[in-house]
Amino acid sequence: AQTVTQSQPEMSVQEAETVTLSCTYDTSESDYYLFWYKQPPSRQMILVIRQEAYKQQNATENRFSVNFQKAAKSFSLKISDSQLGDAAMYFCASGGGADGLTFGKGTHLIIQP
Amino acid sequence: ETGVTQTPRHLVMGMTNKKSLKCEQHLGHNAMYWYKQSAKKPLELMFVYSLEERVENNSVPSRFSPECPNSSHLFLHLHTLQPEDSALYLCASSYRVGGELFFGEGSRLTVL
Repeated sequence: AQTVTQSQPEMSVQEAETVTLSCTYDTSESDYYLFWYKQPPSRQMILVIRQEAYKQQNATENRFSVNFQKAAKSFSLKISDSQLGDAAMYFCASGGGADGLTFGKGTHLIIQP
Repeated sequence: ETGVTQTPRHLVMGMTNKKSLKCEQHLGHNAMYWYKQSAKKPLELMFVYSLEERVENNSVPSRFSPECPNSSHLFLHLHTLQPEDSALYLCASSYRVGGELFFGEGSRLTVL
């Protein structure tokens, strides 16, 4: 069984600033993956970044990076140089088991111009 | 052509109606999923199909009936729904079960 917890229902950041979204998880899988998805107001969920649990190096995709703390079961997302287009719901998810991904409740990110 | 296509995008139905949601993926994936997204709640996994066989059914009421005729198509048949079933229904696919998901835009269902 897997659980994913996002403790920040809403976050606000000034354009061009940096923001960190928090996520903690619990899983019984020994080999698993962690994901951050973005859901803009148009609703289609798209993948932001992925982390394989066996990799110690934190994943990075342009302005998006993660801080993966395996022992603490923490997987936060850092967005640098925030842009207006980053405004969306962000969902943390874990996977790797015999079923689909397990998602957190999401964090609504607001970008202040 | 988008990777995962869902139709209809919006659906309003009465509690006695029968309707179906359709999902099609053009990514060559082997697994397909239905998720329910309600306000203030995490995405709820409803059904998982791998190579056209159902591998997961998370205690979903029988008024929701999935169908996967082939690896590219997934349906969700709806009948005698309740107002609390109103939600956004998301279809997704992945290369293998448990892997990275690719989502459709969703079908917004309203039950009157």
